[in-house]
Amino acid sequence: SQQGEEDPQALSIQEGENATMNCSYKTSINNLQWYRQNSGRGLVHLILIRSNEREKHSGRLRVTLDTSKKSSSLLITASRAADTASYFCLSQGGSEKLVFGKGTKLTVNP
Amino acid sequence: IAGITQAPTSQILAAGRRMTLRCTQDMRHNAMYWYRQDLGLGLRLIHYSNTAGTTGKGEVPDGYSVSRANTDDFPLTLASAVPSQTSVYFCASSRDRQNYGYTFGSGTRLTVV
Repeated sequence: SQQGEEDPQALSIQEGENATMNCSYKTSINNLQWYRQNSGRGLVHLILIRSNEREKHSGRLRVTLDTSKKSSSLLITASRAADTASYFCLSQGGSEKLVFGKGTKLTVNP
Repeated sequence: IAGITQAPTSQILAAGRRMTLRCTQDMRHNAMYWYRQDLGLGLRLIHYSNTAGTTGKGEVPDGYSVSRANTDDFPLTLASAVPSQTSVYFCASSRDRQNYGYTFGSGTRLTVV
């Protein structure tokens, strides 16, 4: 099964700083996706990067993908208290049996 | 309805009872999924359906069953609940998982006592 593993498990920063989270996966993929989950809520899709893309931007989000290293990173610039949440990556290949990683818990202190 | 609706939002259930968690989407997505989320274990796939009339087993299917009679509804049934099924359950759907992400419901918090 596909699996994304996020790193670090927890990250605490000050408002205005940048936050970087990493994801590693095991097998070949068609795309990699990042999600945010606020406490007690469902996951929200943030961004999808295809295997033939190396970088993608969406607002304050920047995602990179290195298929040779089987890794991705999510950068949140100029973080806000509202960015406090858990962030998950999902590596999407041909299998139906998708597995999410355990996530990075981000705390942005005002 | 906008997106995915799950019901109930929370439930306390006696062990041995039967329970159906409801999931409805209005986006005409073909693929639908059920996950459970447990502290320290992340999200684990229970069952999925690629299209109406078909279902498949995920990572942790035992004790659960699903049906997909139409595109919009994907109920999850616990035939005889056990305490280890205490969890938060999320339903999700996808328009095209190769090119789009997944849309998640708000979840059902189930406690089996």
